[in-house]
Amino acid sequence: DAGITQSPRHKVTETGTPVTLRCHQTENHRYMYWYRQDPGHGLRLIHYSYGVKDTDKGEVSDGYSVSRSKTEDFLLTLESATSSQTSVYFCAISERLAGYNEQFFGPGTRLTVL
Amino acid sequence: KNEVEQSPQNLTAQEGEFITINCSYSVGISALHWLQQHPGGGIVSLFMLSSGKKKHGRLIATINIQEKHSSLHITASHPRDSAVYICAVLQTSGSRLTFGEGTQLTVNP
Repeated sequence: DAGITQSPRHKVTETGTPVTLRCHQTENHRYMYWYRQDPGHGLRLIHYSYGVKDTDKGEVSDGYSVSRSKTEDFLLTLESATSSQTSVYFCAISERLAGYNEQFFGPGTRLTVL
Repeated sequence: KNEVEQSPQNLTAQEGEFITINCSYSVGISALHWLQQHPGGGIVSLFMLSSGKKKHGRLIATINIQEKHSSLHITASHPRDSAVYICAVLQTSGSRLTFGEGTQLTVNP
């Protein structure tokens, strides 16, 4: 199994509070991604990173920010959580840009915003 | 209309049956992926295809680029194959994967 961990695995928070999710990899892969998974939708890309301090927006980036200060860590921040951000969040990594080779997924973080 | 459509949405089979899950897409692609999501939520990559056919154990994935269609076949299905199977495509014009909603497969003993 690829060495990807996510923390926390579960979180319940209140509307308006800041939340940070962490993705940590031990594979030294260049690309890291944050997805959300919701009923009725496929996985949707929030943000991705193609190197330290290099990030770009995905299709559902509003309300989210990311940071990557080290190769192994990719942080997803909800500055002011809303109920619409209740979801399961997956981190993924790949050696090359998504789609050109296999992506490895973390175990997911279930976030509930009350 | 979603760019990636999977059918069926739900599939129930008896152990030993041959299973087919379909994926159709409406855009030009560079590659197509099949993934499996376990009941516990973990997601693993099964195949990446850009043409032809690939086989791994009891799983076979095919793609027809002209018809914009891919199939995932499971031979001699087993209850441990019960999972959500997800199709994803890398568009030729894009730099990210577009995912289908998934097919929930249940294999009964």
